[in-house]
Amino acid sequence: EAQVTQNPRYLITVTGKKLTVTCSQNMNHEYMSWYRQDPGLGLRQIYYSMNVEVTDKGDVPEGYKVSRKEKRNFPLILESPSPNQTSLYFCASIRTGGTGELFFGEGSRLTVL
Amino acid sequence: GDSVTQMEGPVTLSEEAFLTINCTYTATGYPSLFWYVQYPGEGLQLLLKATKADDKGSNKGFEATYRKETTSFHLEKGSVQVSDSAVYFCALRVSGGGADGLTFGKGTHLIIQP
Repeated sequence: EAQVTQNPRYLITVTGKKLTVTCSQNMNHEYMSWYRQDPGLGLRQIYYSMNVEVTDKGDVPEGYKVSRKEKRNFPLILESPSPNQTSLYFCASIRTGGTGELFFGEGSRLTVL
Repeated sequence: GDSVTQMEGPVTLSEEAFLTINCTYTATGYPSLFWYVQYPGEGLQLLLKATKADDKGSNKGFEATYRKETTSFHLEKGSVQVSDSAVYFCALRVSGGGADGLTFGKGTHLIIQP
């Protein structure tokens, strides 16, 4: 089954404790992206990657890092989480050359105390 | 820059009512247009799309027509059900729009009451 898998789905952590949210897709898509969803703000893009070893900032990259060492994986790293990073995070992928429709993971709800 | 504007929610309707969620856009290129739906506790999933002017996307009883002259892509359904309760996002992607080119509206929360 074609899917985008995120882990963990839920996480409560404390300020400053490094964490990683993993994302994996099994569709051989070149493009992957991370979004955060906040009430009243909709979806905002954090980082995206066009292919292996190619990443770029989205609209709200501050406080986040990403890496793309393999085509299927695109982890989101919070080196020193802060309460304003409490949010619902979504990973997504697109097949390059298609019409641009995104395939989303189920989301990771992060709370930073 | 590119932008998508959706009507504010929440939108509350009774079961079997007619639904319209407005979406208008501005784009520098020639976009493809999408509606995504997010059911409670889930990620977004594609509901329908249209890639050129006058195209009509349809799925699950929902329809939207790409209107270039009014830069709109309004979502409609003739008779909504309780199971349609969700958040609906309008989005666009500009062809050849660089690395990403995807722009989302802020979402419209739809509540259908029995």
